[in-house]
Amino acid sequence: GENVEQHPSTLSVQEGDSAVIKCTYSDSASNYFPWYKQELGKGPQLIIDIRSNVGEKKDQRIAVTLNKTAKHFSLHITETQPEDSAVYFCAAHSGGYQKVTFGIGTKLQVIP
Amino acid sequence: NAGVMQNPRHLVRRRGQEARLRCSPMKGHSHVYWYRQLPEEGLKFMVYLQKENIIDESGMPKERFSAEFPKEGPSILRIQQVVRGDSAAYFCASSPPSTTSSGNYTFGSGTRLTVV
Repeated sequence: GENVEQHPSTLSVQEGDSAVIKCTYSDSASNYFPWYKQELGKGPQLIIDIRSNVGEKKDQRIAVTLNKTAKHFSLHITETQPEDSAVYFCAAHSGGYQKVTFGIGTKLQVIP
Repeated sequence: NAGVMQNPRHLVRRRGQEARLRCSPMKGHSHVYWYRQLPEEGLKFMVYLQKENIIDESGMPKERFSAEFPKEGPSILRIQQVVRGDSAAYFCASSPPSTTSSGNYTFGSGTRLTVV
């Protein structure tokens, strides 16, 4: 089955700096890579996703990159703000009626 | 659209009791997934269901845990004879019926189970 590894597990940045979270996956059939943000006491929420026919996608201050050859994908948050503090999960999906496999999560702390 | 509804939000059970967790998927979604999150850990897959069918239960413990998604009503995750190690947040997610978008999950707010 799919295995998704994520690092770092914790990340502290100063407000205004950038944050980068990296993930790798094992199943070459995976073709959909969503990212979720989980705030304290809440369920994960989809913030951005990328499909395997695209190398990069951007939405305001967040961007994702995908390297299918290396099976790497990353989340980039620029100009971080305190409200970006949360746990971020990467995930991979191989399509069809398969489950989504999540990384272990990265706890991001943005220091004002 | 009310989104994915889970109840109860918090559930306290004594060791040996049964816990029933409910999940109503988003309108138009026919796939339901249950994940468990232990403190300081990630989201661990438990079971994937469609109406009246269990598609993948590879993440379910072999004993005491069961899940269903009946033709009418919410999906139920049932834990019999709970133990302290079952204390966790249980999240339900749903996705649309199309295979091209079946990885696009919407999560509920979770049920936090505490076994005392």
